[in-house]
Amino acid sequence: AQSVTQLGSHVSVSEGALVLLRCNYSSSVPPYLFWYVQYPNQGLQLLLKYTTGATLVKGINGFEAEFKKSETSFHLTKPSAHMSDAAEYFCAVSDRAGRRALTFGSGTRLQVQP
Amino acid sequence: NAGVTQTPKFRVLKTGQSMTLLCAQDMNHEYMYWYRQDPGMGLRLIHYSVGEGTTAKGEVPDGYNVSRLKKQNFLLGLESAAPSQTSVYFCASSSASGVGNTEAFFGQGTRLTVV
Repeated sequence: AQSVTQLGSHVSVSEGALVLLRCNYSSSVPPYLFWYVQYPNQGLQLLLKYTTGATLVKGINGFEAEFKKSETSFHLTKPSAHMSDAAEYFCAVSDRAGRRALTFGSGTRLQVQP
Repeated sequence: NAGVTQTPKFRVLKTGQSMTLLCAQDMNHEYMYWYRQDPGMGLRLIHYSVGEGTTAKGEVPDGYNVSRLKKQNFLLGLESAAPSQTSVYFCASSSASGVGNTEAFFGQGTRLTVV
C-alpha cells in the first residue's frame, strides 16, 4: 500500500525566510505525488504535482518540490516566505489506476512570523 | 465557475440522528470521493465512485453510506450519527481522462458536530 509521511506537524518561519516542508513516500511503483494547500476554513487547492520526467516541479505561488527517488522524498520549498503562505500543507500520493484516490500525509501547518 | 459545491457547510446532530451531505460538481467528472479530515490525521477516504451508479468503500467506510444516482451528484449519508463522526467532510472530483495524475478538485467542506 502507498503512504506518505510528513515530518513536522508545525513549522514556523519568519517572513522572507526559506520554507521547507518535508514529505517522504512509500510506494512499490513510481508514484504520482502531489502537494495541496488548505487555507483556513477552505477546501484543498493543488500546489503542484509530480508524474514522471523532470524531478524539479514548479507550482503556484512560488513553491517548488524536488522528487528524489533515492531518498523517497518530495520536499516542498519556497525561497522567501510571505505572510499569505500561512496555511496547512498536505503531501499526497495517488493510486496509479482504478479508483485514483489520494492518500494524504497528516499535514504540516505553516506559520509565518512578521 | 462553481466547481465542487457541498451542502450544508455546518451541521450539529444529536447522537442517533441521521443526515445526508450533498456534493455537486459541474465539471462533468467521472470520479467522485468523500473524505473526512481529523486533526493530525490528514484526509481519509470514506467512499468513492468511478461513475454514475457505482460506489465503493474506501479506508474508513463504517457508519456511512453513499449514492451516485446522477453523474454530477454524490451523496454521503449517516444513518445513526455517533460522536466519533464529528469531523470535517470533504467531497472531491476528478476526471477519468489521462493517467492517475489528474488534479482532484475539492469542495469547501462540511463541519459536522455530533453531540
